[in-house]
Amino acid sequence: LAKTTQPISMDSYEGQEVNITCSHNNIATNDYITWYQQFPSQGPRFIIQGYKTKVTNEVASLFIPADRKSSTLSLPRVSLSDTAVYYCLVGDNFNKFYFGSGTKLNVKP
Amino acid sequence: EAGVAQSPRYKIIEKRQSVAFWCNPISGHATLYWYQQILGQGPKLLIQFQNNGVVDDSQLPKDRFSAERLKGVDSTLKIQPAKLEDSAVYLCASSSQGIYGYTFGSGTRLTVV
Repeated sequence: LAKTTQPISMDSYEGQEVNITCSHNNIATNDYITWYQQFPSQGPRFIIQGYKTKVTNEVASLFIPADRKSSTLSLPRVSLSDTAVYYCLVGDNFNKFYFGSGTKLNVKP
Repeated sequence: EAGVAQSPRYKIIEKRQSVAFWCNPISGHATLYWYQQILGQGPKLLIQFQNNGVVDDSQLPKDRFSAERLKGVDSTLKIQPAKLEDSAVYLCASSSQGIYGYTFGSGTRLTVV
């Protein structure tokens, strides 16, 4: 199973763009890259998933280089409500995913 | 679409007592997972069900933890006897093949004193 490495924490200010990078050097051919967001006292919430290049939805963008050994979650114009822990996972959609320790994003006013 | 339901929301028990958690997944989701999340850590997979069969329980402490999923729908996770280190949030998640990502419930916060 591919292991992921993310920064432990990041600080940002309201209105800024935040980029969180995840390393997954051992990603397998069939693996997808999935990001989750978790607020205190809640279960993780699916944000975005991709396989290669760029994926965008109403919440975030996910950038994946050609070698797929890393990925970057981009949150445009963050607000205080984006303060949360963000997890990067890699895995096949038909198998289990393992969570790392995540990146704690702190958005300041 | 209704989410993943879990109960109870909170539970406080003394060590060596037993406790059970219940999970009702999203209708039609064949795969169900139980995770343990200790404060400050990411969720740790305990067990994965596909319909009512166990796919992976390699990280489940089988001497004290047990789980079942009757009729491939609801699931219960039991701890007997509980230890202090079992204090954590127990998260249930479900997914459907072909639909990316899991949907998590809000979890049960267990405190063992």
